[in-house]
Amino acid sequence: AAGVIQSPRHLIKEKRETATLKCYPIPRHDTVYWYQQGPGQDPQFLISFYEKMQSDKGSIPDRFSAQQFSDYHSELNMSSLELGDSALYFCASSPPGLAGAYNEQFFGPGTRLTVL
Amino acid sequence: SQQGEEDPQALSIQEGENATMNCSYKTSINNLQWYRQNSGRGLVHLILIRSNEREKHSGRLRVTLDTSKKSSSLLITASRAADTASYFCATDPPQGGSEKLVFGKGTKLTVNP
Repeated sequence: AAGVIQSPRHLIKEKRETATLKCYPIPRHDTVYWYQQGPGQDPQFLISFYEKMQSDKGSIPDRFSAQQFSDYHSELNMSSLELGDSALYFCASSPPGLAGAYNEQFFGPGTRLTVL
Repeated sequence: SQQGEEDPQALSIQEGENATMNCSYKTSINNLQWYRQNSGRGLVHLILIRSNEREKHSGRLRVTLDTSKKSSSLLITASRAADTASYFCATDPPQGGSEKLVFGKGTKLTVNP
């Protein structure tokens, strides 16, 4: 079965550079979530999109932006990278469902970003 | 503030033993889930328990939920070396219609062969 695809899987950048992470949700999933997991930390919610519109925002720095495109894939753009941005970035997707019903989130393998 | 707190932070057991991990949370929830993560890898969904459920089983996994104490436990029976991983609880707080997950700190389980 198709899973969530993230690219690249590994990325090394210098401080102050920019990075773009891509997420391809499972086909027919309409909601995408981004999470950041620092070394030894728990995943932290960054931002989510439903039907190409931002649906919720968490602890995402102003230097980061994201969008969901017409084909439902999403990109997380990170500018002015800092050492502290080094982390695993997970994307998750969930399918359409009934309002108020929980739809399981399916996680991608993550992109490991290292900022030097 | 952190929603889910795992206890213990690290657990080391022998193969065949049972492993129990606990999670506490602060606000009301729609449901609580447990995830597994091998070192530096992706998150694997293990089990979901809804706020109106008290216990759920899946294979060697048993999850309990006590909403009065805002706590949950994950029991892995007859552990195997392959169960070595970090285990996170995640809650889905009913706020503003968002379905974002709030993760706890995780328990690092080591199963020694």
